[in-house]
Amino acid sequence: QSVLTQPPSVSEAPRQRVTISCSGSSSNIGNNAVNWYQQLPGKAPKLLIYYDDLLPSGVSDRFSGSKSGTSASLAISGLQSEDEADYYCAAWDDRLNGVVFGGGTKLTVL
Amino acid sequence: QVQLVQSGAEVKKPGASVKVSCKASGYTFTSYDINWVRQATGQGLEWMGWMNPNSGNTGYAQKFQGRVTMTRNTSISTAYMELSSLRSEDTAVYYCARVSGIGSGRGWFDPWGQGTLVTVSS
Repeated sequence: QSVLTQPPSVSEAPRQRVTISCSGSSSNIGNNAVNWYQQLPGKAPKLLIYYDDLLPSGVSDRFSGSKSGTSASLAISGLQSEDEADYYCAAWDDRLNGVVFGGGTKLTVL
Repeated sequence: QVQLVQSGAEVKKPGASVKVSCKASGYTFTSYDINWVRQATGQGLEWMGWMNPNSGNTGYAQKFQGRVTMTRNTSISTAYMELSSLRSEDTAVYYCARVSGIGSGRGWFDPWGQGTLVTVSS
C-alpha cells in the first residue's frame, strides 16, 4: 500500500488530454514539493515535473503539474502513442523522514 | 553529460549480500546526494535511502535499517549500495539517482542510473 495514492490506470485517445491524480497528506504533499517521473517500458524512470509544476529542460510542454493542499496532478495534453508509460508521483514525507512514491499509473493511449 | 552508470546484474543466494555500484560522470560527484530506489518486477518504485558523497552521511528507509549500507569512493566518483541478509523478496531492479535542489531525498531525482537487476534465488 503506497503512501501516495494514484489511479492504477488511465486511458485516452490520441490528441486528447488526460490528468493523473496523486493524493497524500499534510506530512508529504501538504508540506513538500511533488515530483513526477515517467517510466517507459523496460527503461529507468525519467524526471518529468519537479517542485510541483516546473518543467525540466528538454521535456515537452505538453506535460504540466499542479498542486493544491494535499493533492497533486499531472496533465498531459495532445496525447501521443509515445506517452504510453507508467507515471509516478513522489514527495518527501516529514513523518517517515524519507521519500514516498505513488503506486504508479499506467497510461494507455487508445 | 551527467550520467550514472551502474554495475551489472547479480544472482545471489538467500542470506547472502550484494553490493551495487553507481559511477558518476559529467559533474562534481561530491556536490550532489545520491539516492537508491528499487523496483520489483511489475511493481512500483520503493525508496531505500540517501547518501551525501562529500560527508558520507546517510539516511535509510526504516524498512531497510540494519540491512542496507550506502558508501562511496570519491577518488573514482562511485557510490555503493550494499544489501545484506538477502531474501527472495529482495529480487528487484535497483536504481541510483542524483538529487538536485535540496539534498538528502528532498529534491528531485535526475538523472537515474540504468538499473541493476538483483535476483535472489536458491
